[in-house]
Amino acid sequence: GDSVTQMEGPVTLSEEAFLTINCTYTATGYPSLFWYVQYPGEGLQLLLKATKADDKGSNKGFEATYRKETTSFHLEKGSVQVSDSAVYFCALKTGGFKTIFGAGTRLFVKA
Amino acid sequence: GAVVSQHPSWVICKSGTSVKIECRSLDFQATTMFWYRQFPKQSLMLMATSNEGSKATYEQGVEKDKFLINHASLTLSTLTVTSAHPEDSSFYICSGRQAGGTEAFFGQGTRLTVV
Repeated sequence: GDSVTQMEGPVTLSEEAFLTINCTYTATGYPSLFWYVQYPGEGLQLLLKATKADDKGSNKGFEATYRKETTSFHLEKGSVQVSDSAVYFCALKTGGFKTIFGAGTRLFVKA
Repeated sequence: GAVVSQHPSWVICKSGTSVKIECRSLDFQATTMFWYRQFPKQSLMLMATSNEGSKATYEQGVEKDKFLINHASLTLSTLTVTSAHPEDSSFYICSGRQAGGTEAFFGQGTRLTVV
């Protein structure tokens, strides 16, 4: 079945460091891909998305490119801030609109 | 983006009692609502999908008689945890999608603690 695998955390970085959180997926058909962020004590917020191969989603300095050949959607940010500390979920959505989430990666950014 | 409001944001209840969680779409009509459960440090697991006016479709392993889902209107869905037990303690999140839409919008989540 469809699934999402993302790197285990926690990831601890210093402020202004470069961030990469790896995400790969398995799906039949052509899913849409998403990154969601969950700040402490809050629900999920959509961070960015891509709906077809080679699309790049971007928001708040974060980027991810839909790579069909490697079935990947890695999240990157050039310079993280303390306020980026959160849990990040990679997800895919099939034509049936069921969203399948990865396990989540917790990011800690130190000042 | 569209707004989904979930209430309450946290609740503590005694074992054996029932708890109702509301999920409202504030500025769109959510023809489909999804209910998720999240255990500590784990991902979200889909519990059920409900379409307005229809019975919910539950995922394998989710007890439909324990987790009652009602989606009687296009802006409101409710999840009732019946005869709650401590193992039901979790973070429950809803999301709504409008007809023809490709994106589902999430509520803030409800942290349920059963003591």
